[in-house]
Amino acid sequence: QSVLTQPPSVSGAPGQRVTISCTGSSSNIGAGYDVHWYKQLPGTAPKVLIYGNSNRPSGVPDRFSGSKSGTSASLAITGLQAEDEADYYCQSYDNGLSAVIFGGGTKLTVL
Amino acid sequence: EVQLVESGGGWVQPGRSLRLSCAASGFTFDDFAMHWVRQAPGRGLEWVSSISWNGKTIGYADSVKGRFTISRDDAKNALFLQMNSLRAEDTALYYCAKESGMENRGDELDFWGQGTLVTVSS
Repeated sequence: QSVLTQPPSVSGAPGQRVTISCTGSSSNIGAGYDVHWYKQLPGTAPKVLIYGNSNRPSGVPDRFSGSKSGTSASLAITGLQAEDEADYYCQSYDNGLSAVIFGGGTKLTVL
Repeated sequence: EVQLVESGGGWVQPGRSLRLSCAASGFTFDDFAMHWVRQAPGRGLEWVSSISWNGKTIGYADSVKGRFTISRDDAKNALFLQMNSLRAEDTALYYCAKESGMENRGDELDFWGQGTLVTVSS
C-alpha cells in the first residue's frame, strides 16, 4: 500500500476535463514537501509532467496543471486527447520515513 | 543531451547478488543527487534508494535496507546498486534517475534511463 493514495483509474471522453487526486499526510505533502507528477506510457520510462506542485517543464502542454492544498494534490487535464491515455504517478518526500514516496498510480483511459 | 544507461540486470537465483550500473552523460554528474526506482511487472513505481551529490546522504526503502547498497563514482560519471540476498519480490525493471536537486530530499526526477530488468527466480 502506497503512502500517497491515488485512484486506480479515471476516464473521460475526448475534450473533457479529468482530475487525478494524490492524498498524503502531515509527514509528506502536509509537511510542505513538493508534489511532482509523472506520465508513463506503456513500455517506456516515466517523464516529468508537473514539478514543484504546479510547474510545467518546457514542452508540456498547458492542458496539464497541478495544484496542492493541505495534505493533498491534484493533477488536472483539460481538452482530453487520445495521447493522454497513460499511467500517472504523484511523488513527494516523507520526513517520517526519510524516503521518496510515490503514489500507486492512476490509469487514465480516454473513451 | 542527458543520457542515463543502466546495465547489469539479468536472471539470478534467490539469495544471490547482482550489481547494477548506470552510465550518465550530458550533465555535470557530481552536481546532482541520483536515484534508483523499480517497477515490478504490471505494478507501480517504487523508490529504492538515493544518494546525494557528494555521497554523504544516502537513503533506502525499508524493503531493501540492509541488503542493497548505493554508490557513485563521480570520476566515471557512474551510479551503482549492489543488491545482495535477492528475493523473488525484487524482480522488477530498475530505473536510474537524475534528481533536479543536490540533496535527495524530494526534488523531481527530471531524467530517467530506460531501465534494466532483474529477475529473481529459482
